[in-house]
Amino acid sequence: QKEVEQDPGPLSVPEGAIVSLNCTYSNSAFQYFMWYRQYSRKGPELLMYTYSSGNKEDGRFTAQVDKSSKYISLFIRDSQPSDSATYLCAMRQMDSSYKLIFGSGTRLLVRP
Amino acid sequence: GAVVSQHPSRVICKSGTSVKIECRSLDFQATTMFWYRQFPKQSLMLMATSNEGSKATYEQGVEKDKFLINHASLTLSTLTVTSAHPEDSSFYICSASRQGNNQPQHFGDGTRLSIL
Repeated sequence: QKEVEQDPGPLSVPEGAIVSLNCTYSNSAFQYFMWYRQYSRKGPELLMYTYSSGNKEDGRFTAQVDKSSKYISLFIRDSQPSDSATYLCAMRQMDSSYKLIFGSGTRLLVRP
Repeated sequence: GAVVSQHPSRVICKSGTSVKIECRSLDFQATTMFWYRQFPKQSLMLMATSNEGSKATYEQGVEKDKFLINHASLTLSTLTVTSAHPEDSSFYICSASRQGNNQPQHFGDGTRLSIL
């Protein structure tokens, strides 16, 4: 079993839809949780960064962390065709290695 | 912001050539930089962790003599793929973190390496 599980998709939605992306994990020591967006042939771009459980909102994006269920989510409101990309969840422990564990990424396609 | 610049973005070269890739943090000091490899439609695979002024820490299965890492300053790390062969063709991505336990990694735009 992988430490971080993420549905690879693809997930296809119409423009304007609310998108829900999710990851589950097995290591209860994870404390920092991130969502990255990666366009084709580009490096990942940090979207959201949260510590421990709770919600965080930034514009059209909302990140949720439920440590009791070992489950994190990213919601995208009013989705746009420009949101079409691969979304990677990542997480790490509170240690000195700073090593990230990534999900496999979910491909999102927002249809005009 | 936190900008990480990676250069070159694309390299095509003959088998046996050594290729150097640079990773720079443009607007912050990065005590730690990371090098990843990504195969098509797959997630990122950590190759090594680079700490300024010390030897890099390589992940299991990564040949340190093949992938030379130098982190000579707080804003620059380099990855040299020595005597590259076609199987080394891949997308190489670096990332950098500011000092501090709660700092996220910021990624460069990657280098697409093709060995003929």
